[in-house]
Amino acid sequence: RKEVEQDPGPFNVPEGATVAFNCTYSNSASQSFFWYRQDCRKEPKLLMSVYSSGNEDGRFTAQLNRASQYISLLIRDSKLSDSATYLCVVPMEYGNKLVFGAGTILRVKS
Amino acid sequence: IAGITQAPTSQILAAGRRMTLRCTQDMRHNAMYWYRQDLGLGLRLIHYSNTAGTTGKGEVPDGYSVSRANTDDFPLTLASAVPSQTSVYFCASSDGAGSYNEQFFGPGTRLTVL
Repeated sequence: RKEVEQDPGPFNVPEGATVAFNCTYSNSASQSFFWYRQDCRKEPKLLMSVYSSGNEDGRFTAQLNRASQYISLLIRDSKLSDSATYLCVVPMEYGNKLVFGAGTILRVKS
Repeated sequence: IAGITQAPTSQILAAGRRMTLRCTQDMRHNAMYWYRQDLGLGLRLIHYSNTAGTTGKGEVPDGYSVSRANTDDFPLTLASAVPSQTSVYFCASSDGAGSYNEQFFGPGTRLTVL
């Protein structure tokens, strides 16, 4: 099993829609998780951190299910500017480095 | 300088040539990282440094070397480039070396090895 797995998409949604991505991870000992956003041909930037059951920031909600070892990202009222690749990030099993998922592509259309 | 800078922005390199990718940060972060990003594989850690004077191997270190002579700079060297090293390279830094710390990324270097 890969350390971090994501559905690559693309998810094509209309403006105003609600969309959710899941990410599964293999390291059951992981305590912290991150969602990064990466625009086309740009560097990744931190979107949200998840340390307990979940986190909410405006239209974005991240939830953690430790029993099933997955985290999700929910985006409400999608905007055109939300179009990007969303990277799920989990600490490595050994050491303090991070493992990045391959990303889920979101395309929001008018 | 604000944040992390990388140079060059892009480079086309003949196989067998030596190449150094430069990375500089002005945030006084202790930890720095080099990743490569390939289509469908996500970012993979090449080398890292938890503090000036120390370095460590990541997931894909073969063919690459790094040095950390001071806090600000973390160059990545390809001693003899091969086509499989064609990729986008990102340098990153974080305030601490722990997995709870946000990593800040540079704009990347697009490297093509022919």
